Amino acid sequence: DVKVTQSSRYLVKRTGEKVFLECVQDMDHENMFWYRQDPGLGLRLIYFSYDVKMKEKGDIPEGYSVSREKKERFSLILESASTNQTSMYLCASSPGGGKAFFGQGTRLTVV
Amino acid sequence: KNEVEQSPQNLTAQEGEFITINCSYSVGISALHWLQQHPGGGIVSLFMLSSGKKKHGRLIATINIQEKHSSLHITASHPRDSAVYICAVSPGYSGGGADGLTFGKGTHLIIQP
Repeated sequence: DVKVTQSSRYLVKRTGEKVFLECVQDMDHENMFWYRQDPGLGLRLIYFSYDVKMKEKGDIPEGYSVSREKKERFSLILESASTNQTSMYLCASSPGGGKAFFGQGTRLTVV
Repeated sequence: KNEVEQSPQNLTAQEGEFITINCSYSVGISALHWLQQHPGGGIVSLFMLSSGKKKHGRLIATINIQEKHSSLHITASHPRDSAVYICAVSPGYSGGGADGLTFGKGTHLIIQP
């Protein structure tokens, strides 16, 4: 089975901290994605990557950056966490044009 | 940008009932996905379809490309089907890249025993 693993299920960070969310997939998928999910807004795309070292902005990239140094790993970085970044973060991967597989999610609280 | 609308937003039904969740979108797509999210956050992909109908156990997904509409049906519903069901679409243009999915806001389904 395809596995997409996010490093933490729950995180609490302070305003201004630099936060790293890690995602690893084990199926050699080209594409990887970071979404955030908020009540009433649904899932929204932050960034995606279609190859190592390649990244594209999604719908809401402000306040975030990403890193993809290896094919299996896609990291989301909050350079200076703010309270409005409190959310559920979901990572996904897919082969080109194929079905998406999601991680379990990281519930981040910024205090 | 594609607008994805789901209905109903909330649905409570009795065990054994036939369930239908609807999804419509505004712009041509390459594929439509039905996802299931249980409490706790994890999302599972149920179906990915670009035409016709797919069936897996008690779940059936249909899509009408001309009408830009899809339905997810659950037959003989069971309390373990209680979850949020999310419709998502892949953009219609081809040519590489990995543009992410556009999601509906989800349908919160509760099946009571």
